[in-house]
Amino acid sequence: GAVVSQHPSWVICKSGTSVKIECRSLDFQATTMFWYRQFPKQSLMLMATSNEGSKATYEQGVEKDKFLINHASLTLSTLTVTSAHPEDSSFYICSANQQRGTGRSYEQYFGPGTRLTVT
Amino acid sequence: AQSVAQPEDQVNVAEGNPLTVKCTYSVSGNPYLFWYVQYPNRGLQFLLKYITGDNLVKGSYGFEAEFNKSQTSFHLKKPSALVSDSALYFCAVRDIRTGGFKTIFGAGTRLFVKA
Repeated sequence: GAVVSQHPSWVICKSGTSVKIECRSLDFQATTMFWYRQFPKQSLMLMATSNEGSKATYEQGVEKDKFLINHASLTLSTLTVTSAHPEDSSFYICSANQQRGTGRSYEQYFGPGTRLTVT
Repeated sequence: AQSVAQPEDQVNVAEGNPLTVKCTYSVSGNPYLFWYVQYPNRGLQFLLKYITGDNLVKGSYGFEAEFNKSQTSFHLKKPSALVSDSALYFCAVRDIRTGGFKTIFGAGTRLFVKA
């Protein structure tokens, strides 16, 4: 099956610094990628939809200036957490849609996640 | 709005016994339903999906799920649980009304299988 990678797998940063997380579709092109965050023992909450070549669509309550998303190519989306604070510590998971055939059928593949700890 | 509910935070079962993890859904139109499993500090692994066709869907690792339209349920089942099945399970629905096909997750159910 298709593979989605994330880098780094874990990162520790100091409060006030910015952190960039990469999401790559390794063997397919993804016009649409998604970013989720997951707090301990909780479900995945969709943060934003990342569209190649256009601005990301953010879910209600997600600060677009704090969580910058760039989808510069068909295989790469990045999430930058700006001016990180301890409350941003979380598990961030990306996913990518792979179109199946010529219709509107998609398969969604998830990355392994990135654990961010802000001290 | 599209949503899924997992009424149980945790399910405990003895190894070798059958297991069921419950999920109910609320969707507009035809449901696209999924089950995923997550091990500690790992991403999601796809187990199975229902798009159309047979109501009983077979998936990975011996899991299966039954789509029940009248009860709007999509319960995950396995005839004989293994200790290694202990993990966090998510039911999900794909929102196909929007062009991006967002996936909306349930709260998750933690499965503990005792030896």
